Amino acid sequence: SQQGEEDPQALSIQEGENATMNCSYKTSINNLQWYRQNSGRGLVHLILIRSNEREKHSGRLRVTLDTSKKSSSLLITASRAADTASYFCATLPYSSASKIIFGSGTRLSIRP
Amino acid sequence: DAGVIQSPRHEVTEMGQEVTLRCKPISGHNSLFWYRQTMMRGLELLIYFNNNVPIDDSGMPEDRFSAKMPNASFSTLKIQPSEPRDSAVYFCASSSTTGNTEAFFGQGTRLTVV
Repeated sequence: SQQGEEDPQALSIQEGENATMNCSYKTSINNLQWYRQNSGRGLVHLILIRSNEREKHSGRLRVTLDTSKKSSSLLITASRAADTASYFCATLPYSSASKIIFGSGTRLSIRP
Repeated sequence: DAGVIQSPRHEVTEMGQEVTLRCKPISGHNSLFWYRQTMMRGLELLIYFNNNVPIDDSGMPEDRFSAKMPNASFSTLKIQPSEPRDSAVYFCASSSTTGNTEAFFGQGTRLTVV
């Protein structure tokens, strides 16, 4: 069964606005990762947050992690047309040394 | 490094035929994953290896699916016999269990079984 579930499934916003995507998971984790997938391509790693971290930044990306609620959010600020893609959260369960399980993804569309 | 290399990029085959997908992970990575992606089921983990040893194959849908990793630089996913419902994009990814554990993905193999 999938570990992570993203919310919303699809999001359409105007260029320049901020985009927020949420992820919920089921079991204790070592870390949580966010990936991006452009149409017809493989997934690309964006950012990793460890279970003992609460917030992390990378450029226009901001990730939060709430282990008590088993949830994470990905914020993309000042969105651009090139940010149009699907975004996935992935978890590394605490019980596994390296197993990476992906959620269902959020399709983000940026309107010019 | 050229990244994770998968072949072929596209495969069209007739139902009942054997299909073999290939993957070359990033040199030095000791974990390798096979995922299947469809619109209906999303991205499913089929099987993963640590140090060439299969650790968890609970995601392999049926006995028609098998995966091997004979050495650290090569893995195969075989479907025999193939069925139309196996049509999907199959991704291989690799990672290191030391330090950051991010996965690096290949470009995928788009399989169509007719």
